[in-house]
Amino acid sequence: AQSVTQPDIHITVSEGASLELRCNYSYGATPYLFWYVQSPGQGLQLLLKYFSGDTLVQGIKGFEAEFKRSQSSFNLRKPSVHWSDAAEYFCAVGAYGGSQGNLIFGKGTKLSVKP
Amino acid sequence: GAGVSQSPSNKVTEKGKDVELRCDPISGHTALYWYRQSLGQGLEFLIYFQGNSAPDKSGLPSDRFSAERTGGSVSTLTIQRTQQEDSAVYLCASSAPGGRTDTQYFGPGTRLTVL
Repeated sequence: AQSVTQPDIHITVSEGASLELRCNYSYGATPYLFWYVQSPGQGLQLLLKYFSGDTLVQGIKGFEAEFKRSQSSFNLRKPSVHWSDAAEYFCAVGAYGGSQGNLIFGKGTKLSVKP
Repeated sequence: GAGVSQSPSNKVTEKGKDVELRCDPISGHTALYWYRQSLGQGLEFLIYFQGNSAPDKSGLPSDRFSAERTGGSVSTLTIQRTQQEDSAVYLCASSAPGGRTDTQYFGPGTRLTVL
C-alpha cells in the first residue's frame, strides 16, 4: 500500500537560513506527489506538485522540491526562510497513482522560525 | 472566486448526539473529498465523490459515518451517535478533474469537539 513518511516531526531554523523538509514515499509506479502547507487554524494550501517531467519542481512562496526516484524521496527546500514560513508542512501522494482520487498524507513537519 | 467553504467552523456536541457538517465546493468542481485531521493520526481520507459515480467510501471508519452530495455540489458529512474519539478537524476539498494536473483545494475545516 502507498505510504508517505516525513521523518522530522518538528524543525527549527533561523530566519534567513536554508530549509529542507524530508519526504519519502512508498509506491510502485511513478507517483503523483504534493506538498501542502497549513498555517494555524487554516486549511491546507498547495505549495507544489510533481506529476512527470522535470524532477525539480518550483512552487509558490519560493519553495522547490526534487523528485528522486532512486531514493523514493520528494524533499522540499527553500534557500532562505522567512518568519512567515512558520507552519506545518505535509507531503502527500495520490492514492491510486493518478491525479484523481484521494491523497495519502504524511504526518507532517512543524516548522518553527527563530528571529 | 470563492474557495471551498465549510460550516460550522466549530461544533461542540455531547457524546451520543448526531452532527452534520457541511461543505460547499468551488463552483464547477466535480470531485469532492472529506478528510479527518486528528492528533496522532494525521490527515486521513474519509470519502470521495466524483460526479455522478458511486462514492468511494473506503476511508469511513465506521457505519456511524455517512456522507451525501446533493445536486453534484454541496456535501454533508453526518456522524451518528458521536464518540469522543470523533473529535477532530474535518476538512473538505474539491477538484476539477479533466486532466492530469488535478489539484485539491481545501476548505478551512470544521473543528468537532465531542464532550
